[in-house]
Amino acid sequence: DTGVSQNPRHKITKRGQNVTFRCDPISEHNRLYWYRQTLGQGPEFLTYFQNEAQLEKSRLLSDRFSAERPKGSFSTLEIQRTEQGDSAMYLCASSRETTNEKLFFGSGTQLSVL
Amino acid sequence: AQSVAQPEDQVNVAEGNPLTVKCTYSVSGNPYLFWYVQYPNRGLQFLLKYITGDNLVKGSYGFEAEFNKSQTSFHLKKPSALVSDSALYFCAVRGNTGGFKTIFGAGTRLFVKA
Repeated sequence: DTGVSQNPRHKITKRGQNVTFRCDPISEHNRLYWYRQTLGQGPEFLTYFQNEAQLEKSRLLSDRFSAERPKGSFSTLEIQRTEQGDSAMYLCASSRETTNEKLFFGSGTQLSVL
Repeated sequence: AQSVAQPEDQVNVAEGNPLTVKCTYSVSGNPYLFWYVQYPNRGLQFLLKYITGDNLVKGSYGFEAEFNKSQTSFHLKKPSALVSDSALYFCAVRGNTGGFKTIFGAGTRLFVKA
């Protein structure tokens, strides 16, 4: 497989701006996940998709965050009106459609909000 | 609610000595348990998983983990540490009732000294 691809690798933005990240999962994987990781912490679950359906969204996620997976392939994560607290590494992962399946992670998008 | 605890921020061990990285979990129903590793400037990689069956599971790079249901633990072990094992290790859990999100612990940094 070609692996999970995330773009861009780095994003620097000013507070109040909108940003969008893209994730291309492994082609045969039905499930796609978004996580956020800050320094010294483990990945924090944000949301996941099975095909194009968004099945769960973290209650910690504010309304400024939205994710889509329109054709069940790539996904985008948008953050509106960014805040300095949004600065983090945003990770995407994908997996096959079995409950016990391992996650394959991308290299992440590092967001810095100035 | 699912949760994972990794009580040690860092584990230091000499090369050639056995290592243990601790993990305890809380989940509804039977757990699916995972260990992932994160090397500097690289994405998270799967090491091993416990689904059912033998309490001792073997994974990549000579690592193994022991599932203990009564203690709700899933400690990562290796009989003989290598300097190249130095990395950040994450324990993760997924419940088998409702939803497919995987919850990660805060991570333990393993430092192997030559």
